[in-house]
Amino acid sequence: RKEVEQDPGPFNVPEGATVAFNCTYSNSASQSFFWYRQDCRKEPKLLMSVYSSGNEDGRFTAQLNRASQYISLLIRDSKLSDSATYLCVVNVGDDKIIFGKGTRLHILP
Amino acid sequence: GAGVSQSPSNKVTEKGKDVELRCDPISGHTALYWYRQSLGQGLEFLIYFQGNSAPDKSGLPSDRFSAERTGGSVSTLTIQRTQQEDSAVYLCASSVRRDPYGYTFGSGTRLTVV
Repeated sequence: RKEVEQDPGPFNVPEGATVAFNCTYSNSASQSFFWYRQDCRKEPKLLMSVYSSGNEDGRFTAQLNRASQYISLLIRDSKLSDSATYLCVVNVGDDKIIFGKGTRLHILP
Repeated sequence: GAGVSQSPSNKVTEKGKDVELRCDPISGHTALYWYRQSLGQGLEFLIYFQGNSAPDKSGLPSDRFSAERTGGSVSTLTIQRTQQEDSAVYLCASSVRRDPYGYTFGSGTRLTVV
């Protein structure tokens, strides 16, 4: 099993819809979790951290399920500008940071 | 500076030539990382610096790759005898400590080996 795994997509979603995708991780000792966003031909940028209690930032909600070893990202009322690749990032411990390969999201007008 | 600066932004080189890629991190960021991203692929970790030392260089793909950091600031990634498979975007990031919460990436160097 890969250390961090994401569905590569693409997810093609109509504008205004809700979309969610998951990221699984293999190391149960993983310590911290993040979602990054990467626009086409641009560098990745932090979208949000993922806390055990879950966290919300506007239309974005991130959740952690330690029992099943996955994190999720939910985007409500999707906008055209949400089109990007979403990278799952896991601190698996011992200062080892793993980036997932990303999930591509296309919001359709 | 205000952000992480990388140069050059684009580099085309002939197979077999050596190249140097530069990263100027955010002032005060002691941690610095190099990643590479091939077309349509995820980020591949290359090396991590804490200050001027590299406690983790496990991602360097071969001995043709080396990196150094001086003065706890600027870092240079050197690729010797470049091969076509080295073509990728090389991204540098810096942070206060080794935790992806604080990562700030540069805009990368797009390397093309012809």
